[in-house]
Amino acid sequence: EVQLVESGGGLVQPGRSLRISCAASGFTFDDYAMHWVRQAPGKGLEWVSGISWKSGTIDYADSVKGRFTISRDNAKNSLYLQMNSLRSEDTALYYCAKGSCSSSRCKQGSWFDPWGQGTLVTVSS
Amino acid sequence: QSVLTQPPSVSGAPGQRVTISCTGSSSNIGAGYDVHWYQQLPGTAPKLLIYGNNNRPSGVPDRFSGSKSGTSASLAITGLQAEDEADYYCQSYDASLSVFYVFGTGTKVTVL
Repeated sequence: EVQLVESGGGLVQPGRSLRISCAASGFTFDDYAMHWVRQAPGKGLEWVSGISWKSGTIDYADSVKGRFTISRDNAKNSLYLQMNSLRSEDTALYYCAKGSCSSSRCKQGSWFDPWGQGTLVTVSS
Repeated sequence: QSVLTQPPSVSGAPGQRVTISCTGSSSNIGAGYDVHWYQQLPGTAPKLLIYGNNNRPSGVPDRFSGSKSGTSASLAITGLQAEDEADYYCQSYDASLSVFYVFGTGTKVTVL
């Protein structure tokens, strides 16, 4: 069974940093791009970042560019998101999701399947 | 920011057919990029419902179907059931923005 399990969320003060993780199992992790998608409380879905299978292509949404860093460790089947200079508007449930091809920019665009259960990041003083 | 527009809500009685529209532009759906649909039941993570405009993953009932035309796409649910009450999101790729992947604004489906 393909499974994604996020961890590392919590309460953090504005301006501070937090690193969240995603452990993958049930599929050949290094064959696929991986993505982070977030959902603010009561709001819709927002793509945050994607990383290709060998980390050669990395993309970010404008809202997090320069503050967040995505990375992966294929030996550990793990995906990470380092979040610096956190703002209140970064408060959200962060999901990791498996892309549909090896590149973070599939020819026709990627879909996301499956998704993890999410880890909640709350930025507040 | 969402660049794909969906109606905030749709409703129908059990057994009825409902459709959800997803309106984009020439830089995403109109540019030929595929549209995918997700179902989010209350308190759970999104689940892939339709990929590549009109394909259902294994396990998704054939009551769900997708279509795409021009700069828009649609999700149809036929034979509406109580368990279909959820939020639904469309998603595509956008070549004009550095955001790359865009989601719809989301539609709440209510079974009357």
